[in-house]
Amino acid sequence: DTEVTQTPKHLVMGMTNKKSLKCEQHMGHRAMYWYKQKAKKPPELMFVYSYEKLSINESVPSRFSPECPNSSLLNLHLHALQPEDSALYLCASSQVRARDTQYFGPGTRLTVL
Amino acid sequence: GQQLNQSPQSMFIQEGEDVSMNCTSSSIFNTWLWYKQDPGEGPVLLIALYKAGELTSNGRLTAQFGTTRKDSFLNISASIPSDVGIYFCAATQQGAQKLVFGQGTRLTINP
Repeated sequence: DTEVTQTPKHLVMGMTNKKSLKCEQHMGHRAMYWYKQKAKKPPELMFVYSYEKLSINESVPSRFSPECPNSSLLNLHLHALQPEDSALYLCASSQVRARDTQYFGPGTRLTVL
Repeated sequence: GQQLNQSPQSMFIQEGEDVSMNCTSSSIFNTWLWYKQDPGEGPVLLIALYKAGELTSNGRLTAQFGTTRKDSFLNISASIPSDVGIYFCAATQQGAQKLVFGQGTRLTINP
């Protein structure tokens, strides 16, 4: 099973709203990732968690707040977003070893009004 | 920073034709990956390559890890309509968790 699930599939929010994106995997992977993808561009890395600890933050604005409550779950809390934050948000997971392949979820399409 | 140069950017072909795309870099990478992405969906892993010179097939898809560790290619034989989408190469370096992506190849197939 190489499935990563993400909810919700679509999200529309205002600039003053607070919302959360959720990601789950049951492959026993101990590294989880958040990516942002704009149309016609490759995914851009936002955060990496290894063994439930934040190991990489790619200088992401504080209006994006990641959380890894356990080894299977990854959340991305959103607050005071801007319209330019509208994008496809992808979660991925892998083993922690550098050669290990990342498996992506289906993504959450976020629209900020 | 590291960069993967993926070409071509787009391809318009007839159903049944073979397809070839590649990624090159000035840096050495330890792992090369090829993903396919449909509109509004996440990238799906097609082939993973872990060893220089490795040639791996997955059905009608064949990919190779270049012997210099600075390039990789993906071939699709006898294309069918469901092959339409964006293909991304991606690679990681020794000791790194970060994936470096190419800019993608958009494949369109005329029936």
